[in-house]
Amino acid sequence: DIQMTQSPSSLSASVGDRVTITCRASQDISNYLAWFQQKPGKAPKSLIYAASSLQTGVPSKFSGSGSGTDFTLTISSLQPEDFATYYCQQYNSYPYSFGQGTKLEIK
Amino acid sequence: QITLKESGPTLVQPTQTLTLTCTFSGFSLSTTGVGVGWIRQPPGKALEWLALIYWNDEKRYSPSLKSRLTITKDTSKNQVFLIMSNMDPVDTATYYCAHRLRVAGTWRSFDPWGQGTLVTVSS
Repeated sequence: DIQMTQSPSSLSASVGDRVTITCRASQDISNYLAWFQQKPGKAPKSLIYAASSLQTGVPSKFSGSGSGTDFTLTISSLQPEDFATYYCQQYNSYPYSFGQGTKLEIK
Repeated sequence: QITLKESGPTLVQPTQTLTLTCTFSGFSLSTTGVGVGWIRQPPGKALEWLALIYWNDEKRYSPSLKSRLTITKDTSKNQVFLIMSNMDPVDTATYYCAHRLRVAGTWRSFDPWGQGTLVTVSS
């Protein structure tokens, strides 16, 4: 099974900051990597698929990069609505797996 | 517009069997390149993928839960079902269903998701 490890587990930032979250796969997953945003009490929302492709309707302040085992999600110019928990997920091979999440909090 | 909604019991007793229904609109599970998955999230914890079913009735399961899971579909009613046997308190979680699509020969991940349904396992 492929293990997904996110870092950091939590992150404090200020409105207007640019932040980067990393996700590492335990083996090569090509670019079969997705990022999700989840707010308290809500379902996850898809942000990025195929490591760097933005879902329709997602603002361009979100960007993803990487291939193989190392991936990043970058959020520019943080706004209050961006403070949430972010998950990566690999869909290269079964069983699909998620990272443990990164909680982005307001400083 | 694609929407999905989960339904089922909110409370089940240990050892009982759970049946969840995902009712969707905006797509058909008889269309080539479409799938529906189930994912769960224990309170305060991370997401865990459970199962997937595709338009051609191909099914995939999490190996750690495979012996307890069954996923089926009723294409005419736009519904997908998840059956989980021998429920235990550790199975207490919010259960989500989600749409999956293959575009230009490449599969995307889950989008969108249903609102989720909280299932508590307790006597």
